[in-house]
Amino acid sequence: DAGVIQSPRHEVTEMGQEVTLRCKPISGHNSLFWYRQTMMRGLELLIYFNNNVPIDDSGMPEDRFSAKMPNASFSTLKIQPSEPRDSAVYFCASGTDELLLAKNIQYFGAGTRLSVL
Amino acid sequence: AQSVTQPDIHITVSEGASLELRCNYSYGATPYLFWYVQSPGQGLQLLLKYFSGDTLVQGIKGFEAEFKRSQSSFNLRKPSVHWSDAAEYFCAVGARNFNKFYFGSGTKLNVKP
Repeated sequence: DAGVIQSPRHEVTEMGQEVTLRCKPISGHNSLFWYRQTMMRGLELLIYFNNNVPIDDSGMPEDRFSAKMPNASFSTLKIQPSEPRDSAVYFCASGTDELLLAKNIQYFGAGTRLSVL
Repeated sequence: AQSVTQPDIHITVSEGASLELRCNYSYGATPYLFWYVQSPGQGLQLLLKYFSGDTLVQGIKGFEAEFKRSQSSFNLRKPSVHWSDAAEYFCAVGARNFNKFYFGSGTKLNVKP
């Protein structure tokens, strides 16, 4: 298996533009996670899907952020409009078949480094 | 509130020396416990986990960790560090009663030749 695939690896955009990050989870994994990593705040869980359904989006910072999982093999994280403070590395992870978020073994993609100018 | 504390931000050890990375958690019940490693420019990779049973768990790359309930700790150890172990290490806690997952702030390991 190729692991979790994220695209693009790097994204540079200007403030106010829409940004879409993409993720292909490991085949057969039923859980999917989006994280944001910054020096100041560390690794933050943004949203968690199970069987394509958003279960916990309490970490989504504000309405500018949205995430979708239209099928088991694809998810997107969208920021509209983007702001400089959104600059970070965004990770997607897929998890083992557990209904419990707390017990998931997570497999991470290589991340998307987002820079908003 | 549940939390995970990694008190050491940076650690430097000499190659061949032993290593212990500390992790403490704040949670009322026994949590699920994990250690992940992140190499530069990469995502996180699971080193080992503890769910129940034997409190000393073995992981990949020669790492082990010990769950100590009385100290609310889950420290990561390796008897002899290799230069390729230089990375950032994250402790994580799964709070089963609240179905939440928390990462610590990470410890960056440097290895001196």
